[in-house]
Amino acid sequence: KAGVTQTPRYLIKTRGQQVTLSCSPISGHRSVSWYQQTPGQGLQFLFEYFSETQRNKGNFPGRFSGRQFSNSRSEMNVSTLELGDSALYLCASSSGLANTGELFFGEGSRLTVL
Amino acid sequence: SQQGEEDPQALSIQEGENATMNCSYKTSINNLQWYRQNSGRGLVHLILIRSNEREKHSGRLRVTLDTSKKSSSLLITASRAADTASYFCATDAGDDYKLSFGAGTTVTVRA
Repeated sequence: KAGVTQTPRYLIKTRGQQVTLSCSPISGHRSVSWYQQTPGQGLQFLFEYFSETQRNKGNFPGRFSGRQFSNSRSEMNVSTLELGDSALYLCASSSGLANTGELFFGEGSRLTVL
Repeated sequence: SQQGEEDPQALSIQEGENATMNCSYKTSINNLQWYRQNSGRGLVHLILIRSNEREKHSGRLRVTLDTSKKSSSLLITASRAADTASYFCATDAGDDYKLSFGAGTTVTVRA
């Protein structure tokens, strides 16, 4: 069974630009969660989607948005990038049927904002 | 804000020794999970312990949970160089479909 796939793995952007990250969950998983990881703040929850519906959102500004498609693939978008958005963005999938069980993480997308 | 705090922040041990790390959290939980992260990579799930369980084993891993103290510990026995990684506890606190992660413990196993 293929794991969680995140693309791109690495990207460099400049302040003010926008970025879209993609996540393909494990086949059959309907829940996709996104986390931001930085040295200073650690792992912070961004949002969770299940069957194309956002069920929860973390404390991030409106510049951070996401969506989920009917095939469970998910994208997150960050607009008007700031230096502080430099981070490892991790996507995780699960069946979503239990409240929160084991999460299966992708390798992450490392974003550098210059 | 993070739910959990981990102690110690870093740990260096000799191969073959045991490694113990602790996690404290603030609110009631449904379950607590431990994950491992190798440098700059994704997280790998190690073990999940439910709030009504006190101890769980998986291979060389032993996890305890004390809900009265709101704390958990992860013991890795007979450590190997491949155990070098960061270890995170994560709590599921309710019907909010998210995990709250601790800051992590960085474990270095010396050959």
